[in-house]
Amino acid sequence: GQQLNQSPQSMFIQEGEDVSMNCTSSSIFNTWLWYKQDPGEGPVLLIALYKAGELTSNGRLTAQFGITRKDSFLNISASIPSDVGIYFCAGQSGGTSYGKLTFGQGTILTVHP
Amino acid sequence: ETGVTQTPRHLVMGMTNKKSLKCEQHLGHNAMYWYKQSAKKPLELMFVYNFKEQTENNSVPSRFSPECPNSSHLFLHLHTLQPEDSALYLCASSQVASGANNEQFFGPGTRLTVL
Repeated sequence: GQQLNQSPQSMFIQEGEDVSMNCTSSSIFNTWLWYKQDPGEGPVLLIALYKAGELTSNGRLTAQFGITRKDSFLNISASIPSDVGIYFCAGQSGGTSYGKLTFGQGTILTVHP
Repeated sequence: ETGVTQTPRHLVMGMTNKKSLKCEQHLGHNAMYWYKQSAKKPLELMFVYNFKEQTENNSVPSRFSPECPNSSHLFLHLHTLQPEDSALYLCASSQVASGANNEQFFGPGTRLTVL
């Protein structure tokens, strides 16, 4: 089946630093989604990408849909302590896979004040 | 966020018990999902319901039995579970249609412990 490779697995950064994480796939996706999960809660949608090459921002977060449609990255600028959590990418291939998302393994982000 | 709610938030059960997880979405969506989230593993899709019809059973053991009485409610009935079934069970919903973008919205999850 489809697999997503998300990296890095974890990051330890100082408050104020920028963060970058990415996902690569062995197959093409039509949609890329980025979620954040806080401890004890469900994932919350941060950014949705629908077109190859698309660059979308949500506050300090910026994500891009790779031109090849097999990758995506998420950047967080000027990190703050509340950015701590697990970030997941998810892709959807469409067609008969309507409704099915494939998730990456997650990036655990720790921000030191 | 109260778009997708799940109850209970925490559940401890023995291997011989029968229990049910409940999910309700208030977003007017037509599709609902159950996921299992175990430590150090990606989210695993268990079941998909579109318009109350099950369209996906991702090789889930029969000790997990889903029920979708309407497009707003989803249940996961549990019986004779194993300790390795302990995990966070997440419900999600989305609007699925030709040309629509499948943004899934998650509930807070039920933390299940099987003793």
